[in-house]
Amino acid sequence: EVQLVESGGGLVQPGGSLRLSCTASGFTFSSYWMSWVRQAPGKGLEWVANIKQDRSEKYYVDSVKGRFTISRDNAKNSLYLQMNSLRADDTAVYYCARDGGSGELDYWGQGTLVTVSS
Amino acid sequence: EIMMTQSPATLSVSPGERATLSCRASQSINSNLAWYQQKPGQAPRLLIYDASTRATGIPARFSGSGSGTEFTLTISSLQSEDFAVYYCQQYNNWWTFGQGTKVEIK
Repeated sequence: EVQLVESGGGLVQPGGSLRLSCTASGFTFSSYWMSWVRQAPGKGLEWVANIKQDRSEKYYVDSVKGRFTISRDNAKNSLYLQMNSLRADDTAVYYCARDGGSGELDYWGQGTLVTVSS
Repeated sequence: EIMMTQSPATLSVSPGERATLSCRASQSINSNLAWYQQKPGQAPRLLIYDASTRATGIPARFSGSGSGTEFTLTISSLQSEDFAVYYCQQYNNWWTFGQGTKVEIK
């Protein structure tokens, strides 16, 4: 059974940093692109970043470029999102998701809440 | 950036009735479109990808159609568990989601 479990969310002050983790199981992690998607309270979904299997390609939504860094450790079946210079509008539930092969996201974690507030 | 526009924002439907949801892309995305269902407090669930292919375990009452810029998700006979928010997502050029359509009980 495919499982994605996020951790690392919490309350952080504006300008602060946080590192999210996602641990994968039930599939060959190193064979898939992986993504982070976020959802602000009461709002829709926003794709944040994704990373290729071998880390050679990484993409970000414009609003996080230069502040967020996506990475992965295939030996640990883990995906990460380093978030720096956090702003109030980064407040959201952050989901880790697997790319099914064409760009669709076929498995999602339960999400971790990041709250940026003073 | 490709913009995805879903309509209507809210759809009121009685159980057993048919629901038709629309998604429009600001430019052609070929068939690179997925549909997701999200219930309160839950992660999204993939329903349809490549515009018309049902994901694993998705009931046949869910169907997708369209290509280019106009897409449709049809739920042939709404069940109680289908009342939720539905999102479309394009993956032809980067990755963007529509704003969602809430399907509520009439």
